[in-house]
Amino acid sequence: QVQLQESGPGLVKPSQTLSLTCTVSGGSISGGSFYWTWIRQPAGKGLEWIGRIYPSGSTIYNPSLKSRVTISVDTSKNQFYLKLSSVTAADTAVYYCARVHSGSYAMFEPWGPGTLVTVSS
Amino acid sequence: QSVLTQPPSASGTPGQRVTISCSGSSSNIGSHAVNWYQRLPGTAPKLLIFRNDQRPSGVPDRISGSKSGTSASLAISGLQSEDEADYYCAAWDDSLNGHVVFGGGTKLTVL
Repeated sequence: QVQLQESGPGLVKPSQTLSLTCTVSGGSISGGSFYWTWIRQPAGKGLEWIGRIYPSGSTIYNPSLKSRVTISVDTSKNQFYLKLSSVTAADTAVYYCARVHSGSYAMFEPWGPGTLVTVSS
Repeated sequence: QSVLTQPPSASGTPGQRVTISCSGSSSNIGSHAVNWYQRLPGTAPKLLIFRNDQRPSGVPDRISGSKSGTSASLAISGLQSEDEADYYCAAWDDSLNGHVVFGGGTKLTVL
């Protein structure tokens, strides 16, 4: 059974780059026709899709974040990554990674437990 | 302002049936499948309904989904206290080179 786990700094200073890792266990990140995605949820607000990556490295990003987001993958480590540059307090959120089922690009299962990232000086 | 529109809140008493709506447009719900997620307090979202009306294993059949045109609905019958949670709809949107859009979420309260 595939499981995901987010990791990374819980505190990032304004204007710096937020960097997170999602480690996939219980299966290969390259196995099956799955994409891998990042989603976030600011406190008291709804879910926001950040972007997704295919094991080949092909990516699609949320248009509202595209200029600041980079998602990458390392299949040898069974990990994929999120970098969000020039962060502000508005980027404070719980960040989730999840698996995307091909053919239904808004079908996310399973999810990682999430990690809180706070942007503050 | 979310692309998909959901009521911010819904409520019902134990045993009742409640529905949560999700309204979109031709570029999202009108063209693509809708998925529903349940987020219990302090936990990650969980897939509740996929491809409009399909239930993952483990989701009881008192929970159902439907879609018509540019709108979708989630129905929960035989309401239980454990159903108190936030519910989100999501779909692919063809605009701006394609991206995922979510509803703003509906907080379901079991009275």
